[in-house]
Amino acid sequence: DAGVIQSPRHEVTEMGQEVTLRCKPISGHDYLFWYRQTMMRGLELLIYFNNNVPIDDSGMPEDRFSAKMPNASFSTLKIQPSEPRDSAVYFCASIGESGNTIYFGEGSWLTVV
Amino acid sequence: AQSVTQLGSHVSVSEGALVLLRCNYSSSVPPYLFWYVQYPNQGLQLLLKYTTGATLVKGINGFEAEFKKSETSFHLTKPSAHMSDAAEYFCAVSGNQKVTFGTGTKLQVIP
Repeated sequence: DAGVIQSPRHEVTEMGQEVTLRCKPISGHDYLFWYRQTMMRGLELLIYFNNNVPIDDSGMPEDRFSAKMPNASFSTLKIQPSEPRDSAVYFCASIGESGNTIYFGEGSWLTVV
Repeated sequence: AQSVTQLGSHVSVSEGALVLLRCNYSSSVPPYLFWYVQYPNQGLQLLLKYTTGATLVKGINGFEAEFKKSETSFHLTKPSAHMSDAAEYFCAVSGNQKVTFGTGTKLQVIP
């Protein structure tokens, strides 16, 4: 199994630009999670989906952030417009319906200058 | 509702000494418990997990953890620390597919 695949691995962008992070969960997994990790706030759950439907987006920091899951094998996290305080590592993760273990991607390292 | 508390954001041990990282949890349903390790500039890797059955679980790299329901604890141990164990360790609890992570403990191994 290829695991959870995220892209891009690294991105540097200018303040005000749109950023799109992508995730492919493990095949057959029904739950998909987006996390953000920073030195100050640690690991934060932003949003999670079940069967492509957003279940809890209470962790999304503000309206500049949006996430979609158009199908079972793809999700995006978009920041528009981006700000320097959005600089962080963004992790995607997934769990299967019959499983209990969350598997993480390698992360997308975002720097907004 | 569920939560995880990791005692000590930084722990230092000498190479060869016992490693003990503490984790306490709360959960309204029978919990699944996990430890993840994150090496610098990398993602989170599953170290070990408890779901059901034997309360002492063994993981990779010589780590183990014991589920103690009466103490609501799931402490991580390793008999002898190695320099390569220097990393950040996260305890997590899962219930109904919702996963809650602790704030992490950074382990420093002193030669």
